[in-house]
Amino acid sequence: DAKTTQPNSMESNEEEPVHLPCNHSTISGTDYIHWYRQLPSQGPEYVIHGLTSNVNNRMASLAIAEDRKSSTLILHRATLRDAAVYYCTPGRASGTYKYIFGTGTRLKVLA
Amino acid sequence: SAVISQKPSRDICQRGTSLTIQCQVDSQVTMMFWYRQQPGQSLTLIATANQGSEATYESGFVIDKFPISRPNLTFSTLTVSNMSPEDSSIYLCSVGGQRGSYEQYFGPGTRLTVT
Repeated sequence: DAKTTQPNSMESNEEEPVHLPCNHSTISGTDYIHWYRQLPSQGPEYVIHGLTSNVNNRMASLAIAEDRKSSTLILHRATLRDAAVYYCTPGRASGTYKYIFGTGTRLKVLA
Repeated sequence: SAVISQKPSRDICQRGTSLTIQCQVDSQVTMMFWYRQQPGQSLTLIATANQGSEATYESGFVIDKFPISRPNLTFSTLTVSNMSPEDSSIYLCSVGGQRGSYEQYFGPGTRLTVT
């Protein structure tokens, strides 16, 4: 299984962009990069996923390095509701894939 | 999407007893997953449960300690047997989305404290 490395914690001011990095240097050529986040006292929720190209959705953007060994989750304007633990995990683009979660990054948003 | 409920939401149990956690989904799903999240830690996959077959356990988890049932496509149970304080964790179930969906949906978790 591919191993991921993320900073343990990050801080951001409200309304500012946040860039959350993830290193996945051992990812296989066919694995997607998935991002989930876990709000306090809740189960994880899907944020975004991608294979090679940068991806955007209503929640965030995902920038994937050309060599696919790293990616960055971008929250364009952090809000207090974005305070959570963010996990990146490689895997197939299938809801039936068993995820192996790393340590994640705890994002603190300052008002 | 899928809506998942878990029962109980929390419990305090005595050492040596067992607790069965229920996971109910509002739609039929092929695969369900059970995770453990120890205090302040990330999620660790316990097992994968398919309807009609034995659950597949990850390294470090065994059926005698964490028996799983999957009687139909909307329901599963995880039992934590012969509990010790080290079993104090949040236990979460998750399911894949409908065919072709790439998202997984997680339940709210069951917070277990063993005294």
